[in-house]
Amino acid sequence: AQTVTQSQPEMSVQEAETVTLSCTYDTSENNYYLFWYKQPPSRQMILVIRQEAYKQQNATENRFSVNFQKAAKSFSLKISDSQLGDTAMYFCAFMKTGTYKYIFGTGTRLKVLA
Amino acid sequence: EPEVTQTPSHQVTQMGQEVILRCVPISNHLYFYWYRQILGQKVEFLVSFYNNEISEKSEIFDDQFSVERPDGSNFTLKIRSTKLEDSAMYFCASRFSRQGISNQPQHFGDGTRLSIL
Repeated sequence: AQTVTQSQPEMSVQEAETVTLSCTYDTSENNYYLFWYKQPPSRQMILVIRQEAYKQQNATENRFSVNFQKAAKSFSLKISDSQLGDTAMYFCAFMKTGTYKYIFGTGTRLKVLA
Repeated sequence: EPEVTQTPSHQVTQMGQEVILRCVPISNHLYFYWYRQILGQKVEFLVSFYNNEISEKSEIFDDQFSVERPDGSNFTLKIRSTKLEDSAMYFCASRFSRQGISNQPQHFGDGTRLSIL
């Protein structure tokens, strides 16, 4: 069975600084997808970034980028130039090809400080 | 941008009562999901639904749970006889499917907080 671990329950970062959220996963599968979702307070989960396991190149979306290390089963999220609106719970999710269900981590609560 | 909507936002129910949580997925999406998050714990998969039938369910999704798409727009989760441990946030999600592309993400609703007394 797949598992996803987010070892940082809470983090804080100063506005305009860079922060990295960690995520590790365990699977015997070779084809899968990884996602980072953001859940602002009292709001729905929003997709931040996704990564296909077969792609070696790390995904990037504006200020958000990932460091995907397939051999180490690591999928960290880097947020550059942090903004107050980045304050949220961040969930890492794993999806095995063909199942389409997500396996979530426990989340990291990120607070951006002014 | 279209959103997944869930009602009610908060449901309080007596133990043993039936409860129905409602979701309106994004209109052109074909795959539907329910997840739950017990306070302080991780988000857990309950069930996926496609082509008017359950495609996968977890161990949590026992005989007390059922899902339905009664009218082509709503997607409901019914819990027949609620227990205290059913108290959680329930999230609905939907996903568009295009042949040959499997990495399309799920879109989530705001969730329904279910409190069992």
